[in-house]
Amino acid sequence: AQKVTQAQTEISVVEKEDVTLDCVYETRDTTYYLFWYKQPPSGELVFLIRRNSFDEQNEISGRYSWNFQKSTSSFNFTITASQVVDSAVYFCALLLPGAGSYQLTFGKGTKLSVIP
Amino acid sequence: GAVVSQHPSRVICKSGTSVKIECRSLDFQATTMFWYRQFPKQSLMLMATSNEGSKATYEQGVEKDKFLINHASLTLSTLTVTSAHPEDSSFYICSAPGQGVISSYEQYFGPGTRLTVT
Repeated sequence: AQKVTQAQTEISVVEKEDVTLDCVYETRDTTYYLFWYKQPPSGELVFLIRRNSFDEQNEISGRYSWNFQKSTSSFNFTITASQVVDSAVYFCALLLPGAGSYQLTFGKGTKLSVIP
Repeated sequence: GAVVSQHPSRVICKSGTSVKIECRSLDFQATTMFWYRQFPKQSLMLMATSNEGSKATYEQGVEKDKFLINHASLTLSTLTVTSAHPEDSSFYICSAPGQGVISSYEQYFGPGTRLTVT
């Protein structure tokens, strides 16, 4: 069975600090997709990134970057120069297309608080 | 991008009554939609998979007679919480996969419905 672990429940950083959110996944499938979502206090999920299992290239988008390492089954998310607007709960999720159902398995989430 | 709407965004109902939540794909068709429940400070838990034209598939531990799902068209799925109790108070979120082989691995989420049962 698949599983996503976000060991950090809550993180607090001071504005402009860098912060890394950890995500470790478990699956026996060789084809899978990994996602990160942001959930601000309003509740609506905001899509951040999707990565498939065959693409291990790291990605950078502005202040956001993602480090995908299959060897350690990790898909970590780094925010550089954090801002107050980054305060939210961040979820890592896994999708197994081989199951044919497009279901997402979510981690428990990491609550990030950026203090001005 | 694809948009999924939910209605209502917030609802308060009395214990014992039923409440219906709508999930609509606004600019694409969705033969499948997912319903999640999120309790405060917890993760999203998949409740059921809604299938257009057929019965929904419920996750283990979810009462199908209590959470009625109807996927009547390619753009609308409804979740009805019957005989609601305070413990059903939660944030309910629906999602739909995108169209096409690759896009279908993209999930489009609705804004959620906050249900409070008094």
